[in-house]
This record gives sequence, structure tokens and C-alpha cells, in this order.
Amino acid sequence: NAGVTQTPKFRILKIGQSMTLQCTQDMNHNYMYWYRQDPGMGLKLIYYSVGAGITDKGEVPNGYNVSRSTTEDFPLRLELAAPSQTSVYFCASRTDYSNQPQHFGDGTRLSIL
Amino acid sequence: KQEVTQIPAALSVPEGENLVLNCSFTDSAIYNLQWFRQDPGKGLTSLLLIQSSQREQTSGRLNASLDKSSGRSTLYIAASQPGDSATYLCAVDNAGNMLTFGGGTRLMVKP
Repeated sequence: NAGVTQTPKFRILKIGQSMTLQCTQDMNHNYMYWYRQDPGMGLKLIYYSVGAGITDKGEVPNGYNVSRSTTEDFPLRLELAAPSQTSVYFCASRTDYSNQPQHFGDGTRLSIL
Repeated sequence: KQEVTQIPAALSVPEGENLVLNCSFTDSAIYNLQWFRQDPGKGLTSLLLIQSSQREQTSGRLNASLDKSSGRSTLYIAASQPGDSATYLCAVDNAGNMLTFGGGTRLMVKP
């Protein structure tokens, strides 16, 4: 019972490099989300998707891009990494029903040096 | 813009105590309010979800209440155990598909 799987678990990037954080879910959920969590803080929404081919910005989208070509996958792309993007990134998914909770992956810990 | 605040930021209690975690929000037009648990180095686990039309939800030793008019929710943990040590996060759903999170309460239950 995999749920939401995020890869990699840890990554160190140099300033200006790019990378893609992978997220896949096996629950056939249409709704998927990307959050970032800074130390001692709550989570902030970066992007979300309500189904394949449909994405929208959250609270803190600058410096990130997403795509949703399949129901299962929702990758997050960082272009020109900056130290301010050092954070823990969480992917989540849920069913179409808003009375159901989101299911979270274990996160990707990213450091930009 | 919705803002969610959790008090206290950290709490340490001896095993067996009953305790209350607080969450307040500024915009009462919500779909639901959710409580999550986060263990160190892990993702979030959903504990309770209260719909806007509900007043409370219970799961085992956990009870969450919701007062929309005052913009408050509480999470009550009965007979706390060391295994309850974690960070507890409150989140509000305003639009039916986006959550706004509080900063969390870091709980330590001492044996």
C-alpha cells in the first residue's frame, strides 16, 4: 500500500542548478498538491492540480513549475535554484470529495548551497 | 487572506495528563478544518477532519471541536502517552481544494 511516494528523499543543489522533485500516487486521486515547509513553520501551498492537464498556483509559486500529464504523477520543477528554496517539500493527494483528508508523502529535504 | 495560528508553539507534559491544543483562524467561511500529526522526518498523518456544519469529531483518545463563529478549534488529547509526542498541525480549507496551515504545536509527553 504505497500511497504517495516522493523521490529523492534528500538532495543538495548548488545555486543556479535545476532539478525535478518527483511525486507519484497509486490511489487514483485527481487532486494533488505541492507544499513547502520551512523550519518551525506550517506548510505553504506552491501549486496544485485538480486532474490531468490542469494546474494552478498556490500561495508561493515563484521559482517553481509543475506539470500533470497523468493522474499518478505530479512533478515539481525548480529552475535556477536559490538559497531561499532550501526547505522540505511535501506532495499530497486526495479524492474528489472535499470532506476527505489529504494524504501526504514523506517529503524531500532540499538544501541549496 | 486566511491566517491560522496555533498556541502554544511547544508543550511538555507528564504522561497521563489530559491536554488541549488550540487553533484559531481569521476567516470563518470554511469548508472544513483538519488536524494532522507530524513525526520528525516524516510527512503528515490526518487525525481528524471537521466539516463546517459539524461541532466536533472524535477518534479514540482524540476529540476535536470547531466553533466557526469565533474562529476557533481545539484538539483534546486524553490520557497522554509518550507515543503522542509529535508536532500537531491545524489546517483550514477555505476553497474546497486548498489548505492553510498553522505553525504547529510541538508536543512532548514525558514518561
